[in-house]
Amino acid sequence: IAGITQAPTSQILAAGRRMTLRCTQDMRHNAMYWYRQDLGLGLRLIHYSNTAGTTGKGEVPDGYSVSRANTDDFPLTLASAVPSQTSVYFCASSEGSGDTDTQYFGPGTRLTVL
Amino acid sequence: GQNIDQPTEMTATEGAIVQINCTYQTSGFNGLFWYQQHAGEAPTFLSYNVLDGLEEKGRFSSFLSRSKGYSYLLLKELQMKDSASYLCAVRDSNYQLIWGAGTKLIIKP
Repeated sequence: IAGITQAPTSQILAAGRRMTLRCTQDMRHNAMYWYRQDLGLGLRLIHYSNTAGTTGKGEVPDGYSVSRANTDDFPLTLASAVPSQTSVYFCASSEGSGDTDTQYFGPGTRLTVL
Repeated sequence: GQNIDQPTEMTATEGAIVQINCTYQTSGFNGLFWYQQHAGEAPTFLSYNVLDGLEEKGRFSSFLSRSKGYSYLLLKELQMKDSASYLCAVRDSNYQLIWGAGTKLIIKP
């Protein structure tokens, strides 16, 4: 069982280019999340999806979009990348119910926008 | 605003005990999580507290006081592999996690 996979592992991107970060989970979790992690800051939620077909905005959604066509996949798209989007991006998933509802994280994508 | 405070960095000796504190001010409270994150890797779940008191899990324990907006993670019998960042997160009234910046724990022989 792979859990959560993300692709690519790392990417260097020219400003203004469009980029899609991929995230796939095989745990049949209902909820999925995209975070960015920057030095000195906590993980910040970009977008989330409580179940297939629905999405919501997190703390820092501007410049990003997501879709949730099925349970397993939750891609994150940067329509026109800017240097401030240089970060490490983590995808996570959880069952979406229960008291604990622990989030499990993918290995991350390190993105550099020049 | 919502705020999670943790020390930026702590140093401890192999075999010793260390306590990492976390204070929070959030809109609502639906549980507090501790995660471990080794450099260059993903965060991994350590513990969850929703009621006041101590939760023990092997060498790791986590304590919560909701009235004080305070939690700590206690690590006993420290090993070199415990060198990592420890992240505190609170689930708010919207059931979203609010994360602290993490505490980098350095273990010295």
